[in-house]
Amino acid sequence: IAGITQAPTSQILAAGRRMTLRCTQDMRHNAMYWYRQDLGLGLRLIHYSNTAGTTGKGEVPDGYSVSRANTDDFPLTLASAVPSQTSVYFCASSDSSGAADTQYFGPGTRLTVL
Amino acid sequence: GQNIDQPTEMTATEGAIVQINCTYQTSGFNGLFWYQQHAGEAPTFLSYNVLDGLEEKGRFSSFLSRSKGYSYLLLKELQMKDSASYLCAGSGGYNKLIFGAGTRLAVHP
Repeated sequence: IAGITQAPTSQILAAGRRMTLRCTQDMRHNAMYWYRQDLGLGLRLIHYSNTAGTTGKGEVPDGYSVSRANTDDFPLTLASAVPSQTSVYFCASSDSSGAADTQYFGPGTRLTVL
Repeated sequence: GQNIDQPTEMTATEGAIVQINCTYQTSGFNGLFWYQQHAGEAPTFLSYNVLDGLEEKGRFSSFLSRSKGYSYLLLKELQMKDSASYLCAGSGGYNKLIFGAGTRLAVHP
């Protein structure tokens, strides 16, 4: 069982380019999340999905979009990357979206926008 | 506001006990999570407290006081592999997990 996989592991991207970060989970979890982690700041929620077919905005959604076509996949798209989007991106999933549900994290994607 | 505060860095000696504190200034938190994150890796779940008191799980224990907005993670018999960042996160309801910036713990021989 792989849990959550993310691709790519790392990426250097020119500003203005479009980029999709991939996330796949095999735990049949209903809820999925995207966070960014920056030095000195906590993990901040970008977007979430409570179940396939639904998505919602987190704390820092601007410049990012997501889709949830099926249970397993939750890609994050940067339509036109900017240097401030340089960060480590973590995908997570939980059985449901309840307050007590533990979130399990993928290995992360380190993105550098130049 | 929803603030989670924890110390930035701590150091401790192998074999010792260390307590990492976390305070939060918000109403509406349903519980408190602790995660461990080794450098360059994903956060991994350690504990979840929803009721006041101490939850013990092997060498790690977590405490919560909801009235005081306070939690701590207690690590006993420290090992070198415990060198990591420890993330405190408040659960504010559906899809609302608010993370602190993390406490980087360095364990020395």
